[in-house]
Amino acid sequence: QSVLTQPPSPSGTPGQRVTISCSGSSSNIGSNYVYWYQQLPGTAPKLLIYKNNQRPSGVPDRFSGSKSGTSASLAISGLRSEDEADYYCAAWDDSLRGVVFGGGTKLTVL
Amino acid sequence: QVQLVQSGAEVKKPGSSVKVSCKASGGTFSSYAISWVRQAPGQGLEWMGGIIPIFGTANYAQKFQGRVTITADKSTSTAYMELSSLRSEDTAVYYCARVVVVAGTSGYFDYWGQGTLVTVSS
Repeated sequence: QSVLTQPPSPSGTPGQRVTISCSGSSSNIGSNYVYWYQQLPGTAPKLLIYKNNQRPSGVPDRFSGSKSGTSASLAISGLRSEDEADYYCAAWDDSLRGVVFGGGTKLTVL
Repeated sequence: QVQLVQSGAEVKKPGSSVKVSCKASGGTFSSYAISWVRQAPGQGLEWMGGIIPIFGTANYAQKFQGRVTITADKSTSTAYMELSSLRSEDTAVYYCARVVVVAGTSGYFDYWGQGTLVTVSS
């Protein structure tokens, strides 16, 4: 059971906008930054969003992050087939004194 | 550019130990932290612990306390993760990742190694 809660398997069609949520608590999302990682099949995870809503260079502006209270969201607009991947949220947890991940969300592009 | 290259796949017997290496290049090794994250087959990501090479101190996830040891060799820009008392549930891909420290020992993983599959089987 993951400390951060993500929906299981959303789907979307090319061009659509999808949102992936990540729910936590006051000891993690509520008091620390949220990060998002994308994992394409058979590859290592890749940093997608850092410090709640910042994009590393090279990440398209179709990807955006937000945070409110103890929840965070990743939005993907103009969905493309290459966005089909697993997405993980992560944050530091002050109580556990460590990094916690969400269980992952497998995005399917129909 | 920054690269993290990990050691090759391992097959281990239950009860034994495994040591995985992670060699960094293209950056200043001591300026960042290194974390280890594992992923069991078909499962999500799980943080195991990390180390700040310049200080040499490691912190570990509670789940792995007493069973994992993370070290770093600044002279070779290499980090190591050793997991002992292996059991079948430890079968997973183990990743090292460079950590951009934001506060204290927390931060985000901006570069990842290619992963090392560790299989625990009798």
